[in-house]
Amino acid sequence: GAVVSQHPSRVICKSGTSVKIECRSLDFQATTMFWYRQFPKQSLMLMATSNEGSKATYEQGVEKDKFLINHASLTLSTLTVTSAHPEDSSFYICSARDGERSYEQYFGPGTRLTVT
Amino acid sequence: KQEVTQIPAALSVPEGENLVLNCSFTDSAIYNLQWFRQDPGKGLTSLLLIQSSQREQTSGRLNASLDKSSGRSTLYIAASQPGDSATYLCAVKCTGGFKTIFGAGTRLFVKA
Repeated sequence: GAVVSQHPSRVICKSGTSVKIECRSLDFQATTMFWYRQFPKQSLMLMATSNEGSKATYEQGVEKDKFLINHASLTLSTLTVTSAHPEDSSFYICSARDGERSYEQYFGPGTRLTVT
Repeated sequence: KQEVTQIPAALSVPEGENLVLNCSFTDSAIYNLQWFRQDPGKGLTSLLLIQSSQREQTSGRLNASLDKSSGRSTLYIAASQPGDSATYLCAVKCTGGFKTIFGAGTRLFVKA
């Protein structure tokens, strides 16, 4: 089956710094990638949708200047949390849609971000 | 705007019991509905995916049904085991934009 990887799986950073999370589709071309965040004991909340080569579409309430998304190729999307604060600590999960099979969407294993 | 609700929020059952988890959604214009399992601190494991044209899917001890017109899905787990303890998430893929909206999940605990 299709595989989506995320790197790093865990990251701890200091308040005020920026951190980049990578999401890769390993064996398929992902025309669309989605970024979610999950607070402890809560469900996944969609943050943004990105299509390869175009600007991401952010959900209401998500700061686009704080959560920078780049989808520069069909196999890679990155989420950069800029000037991170402790309240940004969360579990970030990406998913990728297989462009060849439009209904298939695959999820990465997640990245645990802790901002101290 | 699509909203997905899962009931109950938490459930504790003795080992061996059959159980049903419920999911409801407000907009019937969906591509598919998917059930996931999430273990604490981990990512998602896909359990069953039901396309909008389908009524149910089965995998082992799991059976998921879909009634699109009433906006409901159920996940039936037969002969529950302690290893089934996890959070079960229902997710709906919406038409237009391919967004997937998740329910808040049902935390299941199966007692040995």
